Amino acid sequence: EAQVTQNPRYLITVTGKKLTVTCSQNMNHEYMSWYRQDPGLGLRQIYYSMNVEVTDKGDVPEGYKVSRKEKRNFPLILESPSPNQTSLYFCASSPLRLAGNFQETQYFGPGTRLLVL
Amino acid sequence: QQQVKQSPQSLIVQKGGISIINCAYENTAFDYFPWYQQFPGKGPALLIAIRPDVSEKKEGRFTISFNKSAKQFSLHIMDSQPGDSATYFCAASMRYSTLTFGKGTMLLVSP
Repeated sequence: EAQVTQNPRYLITVTGKKLTVTCSQNMNHEYMSWYRQDPGLGLRQIYYSMNVEVTDKGDVPEGYKVSRKEKRNFPLILESPSPNQTSLYFCASSPLRLAGNFQETQYFGPGTRLLVL
Repeated sequence: QQQVKQSPQSLIVQKGGISIINCAYENTAFDYFPWYQQFPGKGPALLIAIRPDVSEKKEGRFTISFNKSAKQFSLHIMDSQPGDSATYFCAASMRYSTLTFGKGTMLLVSP
């Protein structure tokens, strides 16, 4: 089954304790992205990647890191989480046309709900 | 700054009624306008999308209306059903850019 998986689905942590949220897709998509969803603010992009070893900042990258060492995986790293990073996080992937046109369907994972105390 | 403004923030419609969600954009370079549907506890999923060379696209009970001169597009859900209750996001993109999402509309269809 074609899908984007995220782990863990739920996470409670404390301020300053490093954590990683994993994301994996089995559709051989070039493009992957992380979003956070907060009430009243919609979906805001954190980081995205157009291919292996190519990553770029989205709208709200502060406090986050990503890496893309393999095509299928795109982990989100919070080196020193803070309470304002409490949110619902989504990973997404899509094919990337040769022309760099992002007009392809994005497939979203099920989400990771993070609470930072 | 690329922006997509979505309204209303929430909407209650009776079963069988028409749900209408509106979006407006500023960047005339946008050339792809999808709508995503998100059920509670799930990730968003593509519902329907339109390109600016057409003014309307219909898929079942869902229709996108597009007004290029006004830089607006809207989602119409005909014969709304309780199962349509979800959060809807409009979005826009252009060549060599990523999707810019609206802030979402929570739709509740009452039985």
